[in-house]
Amino acid sequence: EVQLVESGGGLVQPGGSLRLSCAASGFTFSSYEMNWVRQAPGKGLEWVSYISSSGSTIYYADSVKGRFTISRDNAKNSLYLQMNSLRAEDTAVYYCARTSAATLGHYFDYWGQGTLVTVSS
Amino acid sequence: AIWMTQSPSLLSASTGDRVTISCRMSQGISSYLAWYQQKPGKAPELLIYAASTLQSGVPSRFSGSGSGTDFTLTISCLQSEDFATYYCQQYYSFPRTFGQGTKVEIK
Repeated sequence: EVQLVESGGGLVQPGGSLRLSCAASGFTFSSYEMNWVRQAPGKGLEWVSYISSSGSTIYYADSVKGRFTISRDNAKNSLYLQMNSLRAEDTAVYYCARTSAATLGHYFDYWGQGTLVTVSS
Repeated sequence: AIWMTQSPSLLSASTGDRVTISCRMSQGISSYLAWYQQKPGKAPELLIYAASTLQSGVPSRFSGSGSGTDFTLTISCLQSEDFATYYCQQYYSFPRTFGQGTKVEIK
């Protein structure tokens, strides 16, 4: 069974940092591209970042570029999101989401349960 | 970036109704479109990919259509468990983008 379990969320002051983790199991993690998607309270979904299976290709949303860093450790079956210079508008539930391995199928086929990040003084 | 206009934002319907949700793109994306269902306090779940292919385990009352810039999600006979929020998402290019969401509520 595919499982994605996020952790690391919490309350942080504006300008602070936080590192999110996503532990993957039930599939060959090193073969899959991964993403972070967030959802502000009462709002819609916003894609945040993408990383290829090897980690060699990375993309970010403009809203987080230069402040957030996505990474992965295939030996530990883990995905990470280092978040620096946090702002109130970064307050959201952060989901890790797996990209389907289907040919041309870069949709998100599995999602974690999410971890809440609150940026407030 | 590809902008998406999803409508309506709120849809009031009754069990047994046929409902349709629209998603329009700012540029053509072939069939690189997915639909997700999200219930309160839960993660989104994949319903449809490639515009019209049903994810394994999703009931056949859900269907998707369209290509290029205009897409539709249809629920043929609304069930109680279908009251939720639905999102479209394009995976044609980066940044990946989602529609604003459509909340399907009980009339």
